[in-house]
Amino acid sequence: QKEVEQNSGPLSVPEGAIASLNCTYSDRGSQSFFWYRQYSGKSPELIMSIYSNGDKEDGRFTAQLNKASQYVSLLIRDSQPSDSATYLCATTGNQFYFGTGTSLTVIP
Amino acid sequence: NAGVMQNPRHLVRRRGQEARLRCSPMKGHSHVYWYRQLPEEGLKFMVYLQKENIIDESGMPKERFSAEFPKEGPSILRIQQVVRGDSAAYFCASSPYITGGPVDTQYFGPGTRLTVL
Repeated sequence: QKEVEQNSGPLSVPEGAIASLNCTYSDRGSQSFFWYRQYSGKSPELIMSIYSNGDKEDGRFTAQLNKASQYVSLLIRDSQPSDSATYLCATTGNQFYFGTGTSLTVIP
Repeated sequence: NAGVMQNPRHLVRRRGQEARLRCSPMKGHSHVYWYRQLPEEGLKFMVYLQKENIIDESGMPKERFSAEFPKEGPSILRIQQVVRGDSAAYFCASSPYITGGPVDTQYFGPGTRLTVL
């Protein structure tokens, strides 16, 4: 079992819609959770971090964490074509674990 | 405050040569991580270092690969006798030291694209 699981996609949404990205993790000791965005050929870029259960909003992005279900998600409101990228979920326990990423395409 | 620096950005080697990849962490960061990413694949953890100390090298291939983070200077990932399968993007990330706390946010460098001919 992988430490962090993500649906690889691709996920396609029309411009202006809400994109929902999901991630599950296996280590109940995980304490910190992160979403990174990676454009093709570029390095991962931190979008958000979340440490406690519930929602955390930053602009068009909302991260949701449910430790009981070992589930973390990222919502992107008013999706833009520039949001088209691969989104990586990451958690920490004794080390840093990345998911393989979900490819998002926002269609103009 | 400069970000994570990696050089070279692109490196071409012939089979059997050595590749040296350098990473300078962000100012104030004492933890360095190396990852490998093959085309169309996810990030694969390789090694986690603090200055003069390897904390976790569980992702490093047993042969030909080594890493160091000396007291002075950048962290170096060394690949000896490269093979075509080593062609990949190698990313370095750094994070600050947090006493007694969990491993925290990692900030990535631009990566080194290694091509083995």
